Amino acid sequence: NAGVTQTPKFQVLKTGQSMTLQCAQDMNHNSMYWYRQDPGMGLRLIYYSASEGTTDKGEVPNGYNVSRLNKREFSLRLESAAPSQTSVYFCATCDRGIWEKLFFGSGTQLSVL
Amino acid sequence: AQRVTQPEKLLSVFKGAPVELKCNYSYSGSPELFWYVQYSRQRLQLLLRHISRESIKGFTADLNKGETSFHLKKPFAQEEDSAMYYCALNTMNTGFQKLVFGTGTRLLVSP
Repeated sequence: NAGVTQTPKFQVLKTGQSMTLQCAQDMNHNSMYWYRQDPGMGLRLIYYSASEGTTDKGEVPNGYNVSRLNKREFSLRLESAAPSQTSVYFCATCDRGIWEKLFFGSGTQLSVL
Repeated sequence: AQRVTQPEKLLSVFKGAPVELKCNYSYSGSPELFWYVQYSRQRLQLLLRHISRESIKGFTADLNKGETSFHLKKPFAQEEDSAMYYCALNTMNTGFQKLVFGTGTRLLVSP
């Protein structure tokens, strides 16, 4: 039982490059989230998926796209990376808004040069 | 507007000293608040929630609706309490619940 698995753990990109951050969960949770964590700004919600087949914008969606491929997987794509997207990205899953059961992945540290 | 404010970026105390991490919120509905903690090289995890009124690892937090606050307290800090602490507010938009996090406070407990 791995919980929430994020790949890769580290990534360095050049401005303009694209990449996809992967997230997979084995807890059968309906809801999945992508957050970014920046010093002094805390955790900000990028996109979320209430259930398989649905996605919605969070607080800071610009420059990102997401795909809820199935119940297990929720990917975050940067089409044209910018230095402002340098951050630590966390995927999280939750069982229908039961926040005691909110589980985070270990994070992806992304640097855009 | 839905907002969680943690005014202190860093709180540094000595072992055995009392600790209070401040959290204020802004929300038009009935608030549901949480404290999450991230220890070094570990995942973010739930510390406690206001509904349960429990004490976890010696920490307590009381919801004060009059002051719109949910401060986290511990009477005697330990070195292992050093971590990043986030206050979070459960919000409801278009029928879907989301957590809004504060900016976090780093607690550093020195020997």
